[in-house]
Amino acid sequence: KNQVEQSPQSLIILEGKNCTLQCNYTVSPFSNLRWYKQDTGRGPVSLTIMTFSENTKSNGRYTATLDADTKQSSLHITASQLSDSASYICVVKGGSGYSTLTFGKGTMLLVSP
Amino acid sequence: NAGVTQTPKFRVLKTGQSMTLLCAQDMNHEYMYWYRQDPGMGLRLIHYSVGEGTTAKGEVPDGYNVSRLKKQNFLLGLESAAPSQTSVYFCASSFGTTPFLYNEQFFGPGTRLTVL
Repeated sequence: KNQVEQSPQSLIILEGKNCTLQCNYTVSPFSNLRWYKQDTGRGPVSLTIMTFSENTKSNGRYTATLDADTKQSSLHITASQLSDSASYICVVKGGSGYSTLTFGKGTMLLVSP
Repeated sequence: NAGVTQTPKFRVLKTGQSMTLLCAQDMNHEYMYWYRQDPGMGLRLIHYSVGEGTTAKGEVPDGYNVSRLKKQNFLLGLESAAPSQTSVYFCASSFGTTPFLYNEQFFGPGTRLTVL
């Protein structure tokens, strides 16, 4: 069964610090992996997409990595800001069809002043 | 450009009542989706549509019906609400010739539904 596991479940960091969120998946075959940010009371917003051939991709202070061999991805946030407080969701796409889009449960990040 | 909008934002129903959630998008997207999000669980796909007049079942379709009469609108109906349908419902839309491939999904703000 396709699964996406995210860790930690929740995280509290001080403003200005860095943090790394993890996403491990068992989806096969692998097509792509997308990270979404979901602010409280809002819908998810895409941060970045990683395809099989990509190892690292940055979007401002967000840097995603992908290791397709170990089926792991990470999202690194640099110099955190209060506005980074949100849930970060990892979504993995397998083969064709809707059934191969697997959502992780998310990591809840709280950036404290 | 409003993106994806959902109506209503909040609703409380009694068991057995019916209601319709409305989703509208102004991005000319072909594909639209309905998800539910429950505490401790990831987003789960209820139904989706690959174009006007077409719908298909997702992962958790039981107890829900949908319609896509116009390209910009996707309606989710609950004919006889049950407490198990208490959830936050998200609508999303995307471009693309193939659903769910590289296409980014744009989500609405959600509807918080409570069934007593």
